[in-house]
Amino acid sequence: DVKVTQSSRYLVKRTGEKVFLECVQDMDHENMFWYRQDPGLGLRLIYFSYDVKMKEKGDIPEGYSVSREKKERFSLILESASTNQTSMYLCASMKGGRVTGELFFGEGSRLTVL
Amino acid sequence: AQSVTQLGSHVSVSEGALVLLRCNYSSSVPPYLFWYVQYPNQGLQLLLKYTSAATLVKGINGFEAEFKKSETSFHLTKPSAHMSDAAEYFCAVTPFGNEKLTFGTGTRLTIIP
Repeated sequence: DVKVTQSSRYLVKRTGEKVFLECVQDMDHENMFWYRQDPGLGLRLIYFSYDVKMKEKGDIPEGYSVSREKKERFSLILESASTNQTSMYLCASMKGGRVTGELFFGEGSRLTVL
Repeated sequence: AQSVTQLGSHVSVSEGALVLLRCNYSSSVPPYLFWYVQYPNQGLQLLLKYTSAATLVKGINGFEAEFKKSETSFHLTKPSAHMSDAAEYFCAVTPFGNEKLTFGTGTRLTIIP
């Protein structure tokens, strides 16, 4: 059974803390994505990576960075968390090559910043 | 740039009734279009996709969608709603050859017993 695993389902952090969200996929997919989900706004792309050590900004990269040192792992970093980063974060992966559009999602990490 | 608009953030239908969730797209090049579903406390999963082959696309759980270029629409339908269909549904678009999907704002479907 294919899987995208996000390390934490729920996190509570304080303003100014550094936050790491980890995502691991076991499908040997080339592409990995971080989305943010907010009510009424749908999913918005933060960053994506099409290969190890490669990254590309999405639509809302401000306040975030990413790391992809291994093919299976894609980390989202909030250098200094702020209350407006309280949200649901979704990691996804997609096979490279011919585009199929089939994203495989993790179950999400709900972050609350106090 | 591409975008999708989902009309109706909340839709309620009676069990056994027709489900119709609306999606209109904007794309400067031929698009790939998708419907994803999110059940409570879960990630999203693919329901169906249009990739320029047949305009009527069948997906999982009895859902289907029709690509209509003249109307720039890709509405999702199901003839008879089940209680298990209660979820949030997202339409998404990407131009041919681009891996980045742009999602709509979602439609929450409620099924009335």
